[in-house]
Amino acid sequence: SQQGEEDPQALSIQEGENATMNCSYKTSINNLQWYRQNSGRGLVHLILIRSNEREKHSGRLRVTLDTSKKSSSLLITASRAADTASYFCATDGTNAGKSTFGDGTTLTVKP
Amino acid sequence: DGGITQSPKYLFRKEGQNVTLSCEQNLNHDAMYWYRQDPGQGLRLIYYSQIVNDFQKGDIAEGYSVSREKKESFPLTVTSAQKNPTAFYLCASNQGAPDTQYFGPGTRLTVL
Repeated sequence: SQQGEEDPQALSIQEGENATMNCSYKTSINNLQWYRQNSGRGLVHLILIRSNEREKHSGRLRVTLDTSKKSSSLLITASRAADTASYFCATDGTNAGKSTFGDGTTLTVKP
Repeated sequence: DGGITQSPKYLFRKEGQNVTLSCEQNLNHDAMYWYRQDPGQGLRLIYYSQIVNDFQKGDIAEGYSVSREKKESFPLTVTSAQKNPTAFYLCASNQGAPDTQYFGPGTRLTVL
């Protein structure tokens, strides 16, 4: 069963606007990661946040983690058309060895 | 040039045939993974290997087989027992969870 579930499934915004995606999970985690996938390509790692961290920044990306609510959010500020992609969260549970991916949020940024 | 390569990019198979997808990495990573992705969906783990000569089943291992004879190689065989093999297959590697995974470009398998 999927550990992480992203919300919304699809998001369409204008260039320059901010985009927020959410991820919820079910069991305790060691860390949570966000990945990006352009259509028909492999995934690219964006950011990792550990269970003892609450917020992390990387360029135009801001990730928050609320372990009490078992949820995370990814904020992309000042979006660009090139940000159009699918975004996935992945969790590493307390059982080491593998990550579990959600179904992703498809972001479309209109120029 | 470090990274993960997958071949072929596109693969067509007739029903009843086995087919092997290649995954090679030169990142010196211990762990490797195979995922399946269906249209509009996330990744589902097929098999993973944390060390040479050892591998574990993921969530959807039925109809698939793997081997890990070398650190840099983790081929996936899609057997005729896999009832619905048409999908996008992604290989990844890392130094072991919870490390970041590095993904290959994927192989799109179509059963005719």
